[in-house]
Amino acid sequence: AQSVTQPDIHITVSEGASLELRCNYSYGATPYLFWYVQSPGQGLQLLLKYFSGDTLVQGIKGFEAEFKRSQSSFNLRKPSVHWSDAAEYFCAVGGDSSYKLIFGSGTRLLVRP
Amino acid sequence: DTAVSQTPKYLVTQMGNDKSIKCEQNLGHDTMYWYKQDSKKFLKIMFSYNNKELIINETVPNRFSPKSPDKAHLNLHINSLELGDSAVYFCASSGGKGYEQYFGPGTRLTVT
Repeated sequence: AQSVTQPDIHITVSEGASLELRCNYSYGATPYLFWYVQSPGQGLQLLLKYFSGDTLVQGIKGFEAEFKRSQSSFNLRKPSVHWSDAAEYFCAVGGDSSYKLIFGSGTRLLVRP
Repeated sequence: DTAVSQTPKYLVTQMGNDKSIKCEQNLGHDTMYWYKQDSKKFLKIMFSYNNKELIINETVPNRFSPKSPDKAHLNLHINSLELGDSAVYFCASSGGKGYEQYFGPGTRLTVT
């Protein structure tokens, strides 16, 4: 079955600290992987995407993610979190034979001043 | 210039009414989607159109009817609104299979 698991419902970090949000997927074909961010009252904004090639991908706002096929993971990282990063983060998986993206249930990031 | 726009942003209505939400994209994409996001932030795909043809039709009450007059527009009409329809509805578009999706700002529907 195709699915995305984000095991952390909430994560709280201090401003300036590093961040890692976990994402595990199950997909029957070659996965295309995405991270989105949703600020309160806003739509989802694409942070980064992985289709193929270099397994470490850079995105907007200083985020990066690493694809690990052996672990079926696509974790999101940021070396130093800013207060404005507080938001909901969604991981998603798709493939070149499907119009559909499978979304995880989201991780809410809280940033302590 | 907004890539994916939705109107209205807020919609408050009473049970039993009929309402519509409109979506437009100026990205030149062939594929558009409707999602429902519940209070726990879970995103559920409802419908998708590719070049005005319905390609995804998930398990959604038939009170919900999408309509795509052209590939830049996708509207959602809801008949006989129920309390459980209260949610945020997102429109999205993409360039096709496997491509990233671009989301609109959402329409918060409240049924009283």
